Amino acid sequence: AQTVTQSQPEMSVQEAETVTLSCTYDTSESDYYLFWYKQPPSRQMILVIRQEAYKQQNATENRFSVNFQKAAKSFSLKISDSQLGDAAMYFCACYGGSQGNLIFGKGTKLSVKP
Amino acid sequence: DGGITQSPKYLFRKEGQNVTLSCEQNLNHDAMYWYRQDPGQGLRLIYYSQIVNDFQKGDIAEGYSVSREKKESFPLTVTSAQKNPTAFYLCASSWDHGGMNTEAFFGQGTRLTVV
Repeated sequence: AQTVTQSQPEMSVQEAETVTLSCTYDTSESDYYLFWYKQPPSRQMILVIRQEAYKQQNATENRFSVNFQKAAKSFSLKISDSQLGDAAMYFCACYGGSQGNLIFGKGTKLSVKP
Repeated sequence: DGGITQSPKYLFRKEGQNVTLSCEQNLNHDAMYWYRQDPGQGLRLIYYSQIVNDFQKGDIAEGYSVSREKKESFPLTVTSAQKNPTAFYLCASSWDHGGMNTEAFFGQGTRLTVV
């Protein structure tokens, strides 16, 4: 069974500063994918960034980057130059290739202070 | 436009009734998922399907049922056996072939309330 753990229920960051959201996972799959999703108050889920487990290089998307530590099963999200529009719930997720299921963590609520 | 559509947006159910939530996608995705979202619980997987006429239970399948008769459609029935059905339900789909996967695309969600 796959599990995804987000240990920070809430985080806060000052506008223009950098914040890191933590995520650990556990899976028996050798081939898997990791994702960070954003859910604003509209509740529409938006993909932020994805990482293929077989790739050693950390994924980046503009102000968003990950620190993927495969041996430690850690997948943290770094948001640089935080903006007011970044305020949302952030969910970490793991997809297991052979099982075909997509499991989410409980989420981290990010607040951005002006 | 391609996308995934859930309906209705709001749904009210009397206790003891079954109710079906609709999920349709025109993205030609193989895999479809149903999640339940409660405050502080994140997204919990109810059922998922990788191919037509096949589906698997997720972590909280009790009291729910699904069907996958068409690639485009994956309806979720909340039965009277589900003791606490009031929640926000999200449907998602993704391209899934041989273990390779793209990101999941989500519908707008259905808010179910038991009255």
